Order: sequence, then C-alpha cells, then structure tokens
Amino acid sequence: DIVMTQSPDSLAVSLGERATINCKSSQSLLYSSNSKNYLAWYQQKPGQPPKLLIYWASTRESGVPDRFSGSGSGTDFTLTISSLQAEDVAVYYCQQYYSTPNAFGQGTKLEI
Amino acid sequence: EVQLLESGGGLVQPGGSLRLSCVASGFTFSTYAMTWVRQAPGRGLEWVSTISGISDDTYYTDSVKGRFTISRDNSKNTLYLQMNSLRAEDTAVYYCAQDSGANRPLWAPYWGQGALVTVSS
Repeated sequence: DIVMTQSPDSLAVSLGERATINCKSSQSLLYSSNSKNYLAWYQQKPGQPPKLLIYWASTRESGVPDRFSGSGSGTDFTLTISSLQAEDVAVYYCQQYYSTPNAFGQGTKLEI
Repeated sequence: EVQLLESGGGLVQPGGSLRLSCVASGFTFSTYAMTWVRQAPGRGLEWVSTISGISDDTYYTDSVKGRFTISRDNSKNTLYLQMNSLRAEDTAVYYCAQDSGANRPLWAPYWGQGALVTVSS
C-alpha cells in the first residue's frame, strides 16, 4: 500500500503571507502512460465535509481561488497558498489515487 | 446542483450491523463511481470503499474487507454501505462522495455532510 506523509503537522502563517504544505508518497504517483500525477488536495473546515481543491497534482478545481496552487511530481508534492486569507484556516489533506487503497495524508492544520 | 444526503447512522453495539444510505441528486447517478470515506473523532480521513457506476467493480480498504459491503441502486439514485461485525474502531463520521470517474476511484468533487456511526456497548 502507498503511504502518504504530510509536513508539517501544523502551521501558523500571518494573514497575507505564503503557506506551504508538503506531501510525500512512499512510491511514485506518476503514471508513465499519461504523464499524470495521481494526487489530489482537499481542505476541511471544522464541522464540514472535505472540499476538493486540486487534482492531477496541479489542476485547480472550478471555483477554487487562484491563490491555491499545487506542484510536484513523482513522490514529492506541495500545496501553496500564495496570500493567506482568514477563511483559509482549515486542515489540508493530500490523497493519492494511483492505486487502492486511496490513502490520505494525516492532515496539516493551518492556523493564523 | 449536486446533493448527497447520508442516513442510517447511529449507536450500535460491538458485533452489530448497520446500513448507511446516501441519496444523490443533481447528476446522472449511474455514470459516476461512488465512494465512502470515514473520519474517526478528532482524526484524519480514511478511504473506505468505492463502487463503479454500473456496480461491476468494488474496492475496499483492508480493515473492512469481509465485513462491509458497498452497493448501489441506480434506479433509486442511492448508494449503500452495509456494515457487519462492527468494532469500536469503526466509530466515525461516514461521508458519501461522488467520484470524478465512472470506474476506479479517483478524486471526489462532491461530498455529503456525513453520518455518525458509534460502536459502543
């Protein structure tokens, strides 16, 4: 099974500053036949279900603000929030969908 | 507008059974795989199971194989999760999610609000 590890576990960033969350997989998520990385990012606020932010490692879901961006390939990935807003306080999860079980990272709690 | 509404959660004793339902609307149900994800209190997300759009493929995490069964009724736009031999560690909020594809589990653009399952004596 693929294991997903996020860092850090928690992060405090000032309003307007950049936030960076890392995600590492135990094996490559790059599928050679289509050159796509099978990785998604989700945001979860307290008492709410997760919200999809990014898929294919860097494709922003419709309606997601462009301050959110995803990057990386193979086993190392990053979610970047370019200018932190108050409403971005949440827990962020990466998830691989290269193979089942579709494991999530343990989550990164983002605070101001 | 896509809507997913879970029901069937509750308190059950260890070893007991429970069936969760998820009624979907706002999209052509049979053309999408559907997924269950759970979240234990204060913990992270755990993918549980996925079923393809026409029920020809099912996928499970190891800890529920042989105990949980995912199914769907496309005529009723409803997804199910039959949970047997429940254990304390199955206590969680169970989310129903629409998958982005028709077959194997990919990313999930839409999620329900969740149903709480508590396994305790």
